[in-house]
Amino acid sequence: AQSVAQPEDQVNVAEGNPLTVKCTYSVSGNPYLFWYVQYPNRGLQFLLKYITGDNLVKGSYGFEAEFNKSQTSFHLKKPSALVSDSALYFCAVRMHGSGTYKYIFGTGTRLKVLA
Amino acid sequence: EPEVTQTPSHQVTQMGQEVILHCVPISNHLYFYWYRQILGQKVEFLVSFYNNEISEKSEIFDDQFSVERPDGSNFTLKIRSTKLEDSAMYFCASSEAGGYNSPLHFGNGTRLTVT
Repeated sequence: AQSVAQPEDQVNVAEGNPLTVKCTYSVSGNPYLFWYVQYPNRGLQFLLKYITGDNLVKGSYGFEAEFNKSQTSFHLKKPSALVSDSALYFCAVRMHGSGTYKYIFGTGTRLKVLA
Repeated sequence: EPEVTQTPSHQVTQMGQEVILHCVPISNHLYFYWYRQILGQKVEFLVSFYNNEISEKSEIFDDQFSVERPDGSNFTLKIRSTKLEDSAMYFCASSEAGGYNSPLHFGNGTRLTVT
């Protein structure tokens, strides 16, 4: 069965420090991978996606993610965290070519950037 | 930038009552979805809809749930007889045509409270 795992419920990082939010996936075939961010009382907002090509993907607000096929991971990174990055982050996978159009989301990681 | 619009933002209903949640997807999008989120945690897939029919549904989406696109712009989720455990944040989302790699665009959600 397809699944996405976010092993950390919460990540704390000091402002200005690099941040990493972890995601691993388990799918058959080639996955399409996504990161979304959710601010309080809002819907999820798209940050970035990996489809094919370069393993390092750049997205909105200075975020990037590294696709690692051998480790089945797609960790979200940012070189220098801002307090305004504090939010709930979701990794998601969408199956390619299987006939299904649904996304499978991870359980979410709450990022707290401390001033 | 076009948005997915959901109404109402908050709906309170008594157990056993019917509720209809409303969504207006982005106008040129062809794939529509409902997700729910309980207590600000995991985002759960309910149903996907394309070409005026359900393309996939989860085990959560039982006979009490139905979706409709009545007029070419609205996309509704109906819960026939609400239960306490239906209390959640319900998100509508849409994506463009040819959408295996198309990100979802989410509305801000409807908070459903069943008393």
